[in-house]
Amino acid sequence: GDSVTQMEGPVTLSEEAFLTINCTYTATGYPSLFWYVQYPGEGLQLLLKATKADDKGSNKGFEATYRKETTSFHLEKGSVQVSDSAVYFCALRTNSGGYQKVTFGTGTKLQVIP
Amino acid sequence: SQTIHQWPATLVQPVGSPLSLECTVEGTSNPNLYWYRQAAGRGLQLLFYSVGIGQISSEVPQNLSASRPQDRQFILSSKKLLLSDSGFYLCAWSVNFNEQYFGPGTRLTVT
Repeated sequence: GDSVTQMEGPVTLSEEAFLTINCTYTATGYPSLFWYVQYPGEGLQLLLKATKADDKGSNKGFEATYRKETTSFHLEKGSVQVSDSAVYFCALRTNSGGYQKVTFGTGTKLQVIP
Repeated sequence: SQTIHQWPATLVQPVGSPLSLECTVEGTSNPNLYWYRQAAGRGLQLLFYSVGIGQISSEVPQNLSASRPQDRQFILSSKKLLLSDSGFYLCAWSVNFNEQYFGPGTRLTVT
């Protein structure tokens, strides 16, 4: 079945540091890939997405590139801020019989300290 | 624009009591609807999804059930809560194979 593997957290960084959160996946067919962000006490928000190989999703300074050859979708940001502290979920979506199935990773908690 | 509502935002219930969580979507028609649970320290687990009124599919067998009495209303229920039902419950919607949009969530604590 489909699965998503994320690096375990928490990840603690100083402000303005470079961020990488690794994500690899296993899926049948050609999934779409997503990063969601969950701020404390809130629901999930879509951060960025990529729908085919070599696509790069980007938003709010975050980027991730769909790498089919390595089945990866690593999240990066060049300079993190305290406000980026949140839990980040990698996810994939496949379509089967008119139903979208979304599989989430376990989430990676990011803590950015001033 | 589309919005999704969940209530209550937080809930504390004793073991063995019933549960009813409600989710409603505005601004769209015939959405796919989903219930997820996020247990402490764990990822998101899909519980139920629905592609239309009265159509419910269960992903994980458990003491929870879901119903969709109206096009944009999705209800999560239990007759008797267990301690293991504690968690953060998220409702989501999607249309036409686009990404899923999540509600604000309900934090349930079973004591």
